[in-house]
Amino acid sequence: GDSVTQMEGPVTLSEEAFLTINCTYTATGYPSLFWYVQYPGEGLQLLLKATKADDKGSNKGFEATYRKETTSFHLEKGSVQVSDSAVYFCALSDPGNSGGSNYKLTFGKGTLLTVNP
Amino acid sequence: DTEVTQTPKHLVMGMTNKKSLKCEQHMGHRAMYWYKQKAKKPPELMFVYSYEKLSINESVPSRFSPECPNSSLLNLHLHALQPEDSALYLCASSQDRASNQFFGPGTRLTVL
Repeated sequence: GDSVTQMEGPVTLSEEAFLTINCTYTATGYPSLFWYVQYPGEGLQLLLKATKADDKGSNKGFEATYRKETTSFHLEKGSVQVSDSAVYFCALSDPGNSGGSNYKLTFGKGTLLTVNP
Repeated sequence: DTEVTQTPKHLVMGMTNKKSLKCEQHMGHRAMYWYKQKAKKPPELMFVYSYEKLSINESVPSRFSPECPNSSLLNLHLHALQPEDSALYLCASSQDRASNQFFGPGTRLTVL
């Protein structure tokens, strides 16, 4: 079955530091890949996505590139801010799955990021 | 309107109570979802409605009963819950099965 593995953290950085959160996946088909962010006390927000190999998703200074050869979708940001403190979830949806299961998002376990001033 | 709204924001109920969670979206999305999220865990899918028909039930106990009255509304009826059902309940919607899911802010449920 499909699965997502991401570094669990927690990750603690100083403001303006470089961020990488690793994410790798296994899938039966050709999945779409997502990063969601969850700020304290809130629901999930889509941060960025990529739907095919070598696509780069980007938003709010965050980037991730769909690497089919390494089955990876690592999240990066060049200079983090205190306001980036949140939990980050890597996820995939696999249209190769049959029936209704292709509605499903498969999530990684989440990475708590804390950015200190 | 590009948001999913959920009410109530917080809910405390006893094990014998009956309550309902509500979710609404006006983005014209035809798929709607209920997730359960425990602290420090990813969301777990409970139900999916597609074109107002139940498409996926992830073996959820019958004390949770979903309902989709129309294409904009999704309810989750709760009855005889257990303390371990305490969690954040998230609603989401998407245009179709291949699209991004938009999440609501959630209902924080506490079962006493």
